[in-house]
Amino acid sequence: KAGVTQTPRYLIKTRGQQVTLSCSPISGHRSVSWYQQTPGQGLQFLFEYFSETQRNKGNFPGRFSGRQFSNSRSEMNVSTLELGDSALYLCASSLASTVNTGELFFGEGSRLTVL
Amino acid sequence: QQQVKQSPQSLIVQKGGIPIINCAYENTAFDYFPWYQQFPGKGPALLIAIRPDVSEKKEGRFTISFNKSAKQFSLHIMDSQPGDSATYFCAALETSGSRLTFGEGTQLTVNP
Repeated sequence: KAGVTQTPRYLIKTRGQQVTLSCSPISGHRSVSWYQQTPGQGLQFLFEYFSETQRNKGNFPGRFSGRQFSNSRSEMNVSTLELGDSALYLCASSLASTVNTGELFFGEGSRLTVL
Repeated sequence: QQQVKQSPQSLIVQKGGIPIINCAYENTAFDYFPWYQQFPGKGPALLIAIRPDVSEKKEGRFTISFNKSAKQFSLHIMDSQPGDSATYFCAALETSGSRLTFGEGTQLTVNP
């Protein structure tokens, strides 16, 4: 069974640009969450989607957005990139309709560097 | 605002030792407490989880101890091995919630 797949794995952007990251959840999983991981702030929740609907959103500016498609694949977008957006962006999928009844499976992440 | 505080930040033990990682939380609405293990270049992987209705849960060499009144929980790794060297994160989830709140992480090194 394939795990959570994130693309691209690595990317370099410059300030002001925008970026789109993709996540393919485990087959059958309908919940997809995104987290930002940095050395200083640790793992911070961005948002969670279930059946194409955003169910929860973390405390990030509006430059961070996401969506989920009918096949449960998800994308997140960051516009007007800032140096502080450099981070590992992790996607996680879950089978359950509520996360606390199931396990979160994380992908290996997309490492974004903003110059 | 950090709602789950984790300590220590780093920990070095010898093979066979029993590292202990502690976490404390404030939000009494949390009712699911997982621990994740992360190796360099990989995403976090669920190790073990506990709910507040039990005081201890054991899976293999990994044990969670939970103190609901003190709002604290801890991870013990019995007979630690060099392969256990990784970063460990505690986390917490609210009732019917969908967002995990993570601790700051503990970098564990097990020397051979």
